[in-house]
Amino acid sequence: QQQVKQSPQSLIVQKGGISIINCAYENTAFDYFPWYQQFPGKGPALLIAIRPDVSEKKEGRFTISFNKSAKQFSLHIMDSQPGDSATYFCAASRRGSTLGRLYFGRGTQLTVWP
Amino acid sequence: ETGVTQSPTHLIKTRGQQVTLRCSSQSGHNTVSWYQQALGQGPQFIFQYYREEENGRGNFPPRFSGLQFPNYSSELNVNALELDDSALYLCASSLRGRNEQYFGPGTRLTVT
Repeated sequence: QQQVKQSPQSLIVQKGGISIINCAYENTAFDYFPWYQQFPGKGPALLIAIRPDVSEKKEGRFTISFNKSAKQFSLHIMDSQPGDSATYFCAASRRGSTLGRLYFGRGTQLTVWP
Repeated sequence: ETGVTQSPTHLIKTRGQQVTLRCSSQSGHNTVSWYQQALGQGPQFIFQYYREEENGRGNFPPRFSGLQFPNYSSELNVNALELDDSALYLCASSLRGRNEQYFGPGTRLTVT
């Protein structure tokens, strides 16, 4: 059972546009929601993360919006650039016997056209 | 500050063989987690090590085993390799009590 569901599977955006990737979860015990960026042949790189006590977090061109009641969160990339072309993964983790185990979505392949 | 490193970069093995993958954690991090990433999928949690002991396991059989050493580096061992074990194996290090996990570049394992 996929604990974190991610959409869309792929996304094509024009340079300067806004890229939006959505994720949903079921387990209300999750209390940490990171986004990772992965380039081909590389490991995932931590991009930005949020906790459920805030509804939005912004770092540069990247913003996470969090809706606790809907159990959804999304990544917004403003002024998308060709260098942003990569696969993006949302994830979630919870406190428990295995601290910090990450449950990943299936990923979104973003292509930004110049 | 040194990031997470993994070796080897690529590996080709035959079905039934055994393999050992290695990971050096980021400086100051005492917890290591291993993930398997199949092509086109998100990483799947294998297990985590803290204080040289396994601290939780995902849905992987016992032929997947690991070690953590006093310097916090870690090994992932896979016995009786199967074709479906072909994947990118990722190591992530973190500091106990903190959620942030930092991944290495991975080891690409191909089983033929």
